[in-house]
Amino acid sequence: DAGVIQSPRHEVTEMGQEVTLRCKPISGHNSLFWYRQTMMRGLELLIYFNNNVPIDDSGMPEDRFSAKMPNASFSTLKIQPSEPRDSAVYFCASTPRGTHTQETQYFGPGTRLLVL
Amino acid sequence: AQKVTQAQTEISVVEKEDVTLDCVYETRDTTYYLFWYKQPPSGELVFLIRRNSFDEQNEISGRYSWNFQKSTSSFNFTITASQVVDSAVYFCALHTGANSKLTFGKGITLSVRP
Repeated sequence: DAGVIQSPRHEVTEMGQEVTLRCKPISGHNSLFWYRQTMMRGLELLIYFNNNVPIDDSGMPEDRFSAKMPNASFSTLKIQPSEPRDSAVYFCASTPRGTHTQETQYFGPGTRLLVL
Repeated sequence: AQKVTQAQTEISVVEKEDVTLDCVYETRDTTYYLFWYKQPPSGELVFLIRRNSFDEQNEISGRYSWNFQKSTSSFNFTITASQVVDSAVYFCALHTGANSKLTFGKGITLSVRP
């Protein structure tokens, strides 16, 4: 089975530009999580969805960040406008639907974002 | 509030040595889950193990073993006969029943030298 798929794997953009990160969770998983990883702050949860509905977005740093999950197989994380301090690795993760291992999050390969 | 402490930040060993990575957690919940993830130099996060709070049995998987002790709120990870391919950052994480969030430790960078 395919794991969590993220695209692009690398993104280099200039300050002020819009950035869209994409995630396809594992088929059948019903929760999806967006994380950001930096050297200074480690792994931070930005937002998570359950059955396509945002449950907790308290980790979203500011209004420049937005996330959507229009259906069970696709989510986006958008930064507009981007700033150099947004440079990080962004991970998407998903968890299985209603199984005894539903707490286990399976991560995608990450998107390495560099904002110049 | 939930907290995970990985006091060791960097560990360096020579191949074939055993190494233990420490993890201490804090939670007031009686039901919780503990995890270890591996992040190799390529950057992805690889799930290694999940343990629930009601199962204190130690687990062994090949060269990997985990020691869960509720009395000391610890969930330590031992690699036996380490190999260069074990070089990675290892994260311990806590999930409680209160929400779906995973609380991660800061990670331990393990370097295994030939």
